[in-house]
Amino acid sequence: GENVEQHPSTLSVQEGDSAVIKCTYSDSASNYFPWYKQELGKRPQLIIDIRSNVGEKKDQRIAVTLNKTAKHFSLHITETQPEDSAVYFCAASIDGQNFVFGPGTRLSVLP
Amino acid sequence: KAGVTQTPRYLIKTRGQQVTLSCSPISGHRSVSWYQQTPGQGLQFLFEYFSETQRNKGNFPGRFSGRQFSNSRSEMNVSTLELGDSALYLCASSLVGQGAEAFFGQGTRLTVV
Repeated sequence: GENVEQHPSTLSVQEGDSAVIKCTYSDSASNYFPWYKQELGKRPQLIIDIRSNVGEKKDQRIAVTLNKTAKHFSLHITETQPEDSAVYFCAASIDGQNFVFGPGTRLSVLP
Repeated sequence: KAGVTQTPRYLIKTRGQQVTLSCSPISGHRSVSWYQQTPGQGLQFLFEYFSETQRNKGNFPGRFSGRQFSNSRSEMNVSTLELGDSALYLCASSLVGQGAEAFFGQGTRLTVV
């Protein structure tokens, strides 16, 4: 079955700096890769996603890149703000089925 | 439209009891997945239901079971509760198809004492 690894497990950055979180997956059939943000005490919410036919996607300060050959994808957050502090989860799925999540990255943005 | 609704929000049970959690998906979503979230353990996949059938199952003991009804609502049952079952249980619903986003409910926080 699919296995998703995520690094780092914790990340601290200064406000205004960039943050990068990396994930790898094992099943080459996976074709949908969402990223979720979970603030303390709240449900995970989708922040950005990418499909296997796209190499990069950007939404304001957030971008995701996908390397299908190497089976890894990354989340990039630029100009970080304190409200970006949360736990971030990557996931891989095939056609929206059976989402397998990474273990999460706790991002702290220091003012 | 209404989001994913989980009931109850909080539960306190004693060891050995059993518990049933409920999840109502977004209207039109036929896939419902359940996850266990504990501090430092991320989102552990329990099972996924689609059209009343369990389609995928995670690595949890048989004490964890579930079902899905014809209206796509799903229930999860845990029998013979153990202290280690204390966790936030999240369900997520999605459409089926490429790029289908999973929408999470608020979760049910289960405490076993």
